[in-house]
Amino acid sequence: ETGVTQTPRHLVMGMTNKKSLKCEQHLGHNAMYWYKQSAKKPLELMFVYNFKEQTENNSVPSRFSPECPNSSHLFLHLHTLQPEDSALYLCASSQGSIGYNEQFFGPGTRLTVL
Amino acid sequence: DAKTTQPPSMDCAEGRAANLPCNHSTISGNEYVYWYRQIHSQGPQYIIHGLKNNETNEMASLIITEDRKSSTLILPHATLRDTAVYYCIVKISGNTPLVFGKGTRLSVIA
Repeated sequence: ETGVTQTPRHLVMGMTNKKSLKCEQHLGHNAMYWYKQSAKKPLELMFVYNFKEQTENNSVPSRFSPECPNSSHLFLHLHTLQPEDSALYLCASSQGSIGYNEQFFGPGTRLTVL
Repeated sequence: DAKTTQPPSMDCAEGRAANLPCNHSTISGNEYVYWYRQIHSQGPQYIIHGLKNNETNEMASLIITEDRKSSTLILPHATLRDTAVYYCIVKISGNTPLVFGKGTRLSVIA
């Protein structure tokens, strides 16, 4: 039990669909992250939220739209995706205090875009 | 871009110590060395971190050279379940995100 849950675990969608990925952390953390991992590539940071505010957008295309309604929940809204967006999408959270360093990752959502 | 250099792959016999090296020659004085691992298609898992001193926990030991330009992660008795990609990352403390490189793919062989 990592304390970070992601739903759904697997998602298949067409290029014209709209879907959302959900992440929830039960650890009382105040920062949340979205990462993307394409096949045979390193994890890429997408977005960072601190205290519900977006503090980093790593040049992510607008077809990916994050939402952080509170410190425990993070969403990634998807629309008009491309097949090359097929990847493992990972959510993580961390506590904001200096000296407390560990990021906890969820199990990921395996996305396939047809 | 990742600030670390790791060998792409390593093998280790089950029950033996696995020593995974990492070079971080441009590390700054306030940057920590972190190690994470990712078992196939799962989320990365924190292993250990350190600043200057060597560190040990229930999973591994971290040896940092005196000049801090390199480090070694030691899994004292590798098991088949330790087969994973191991990432060495340097970053400052707090809510700064992790920047992942390609890591080292460790294969533990029976």
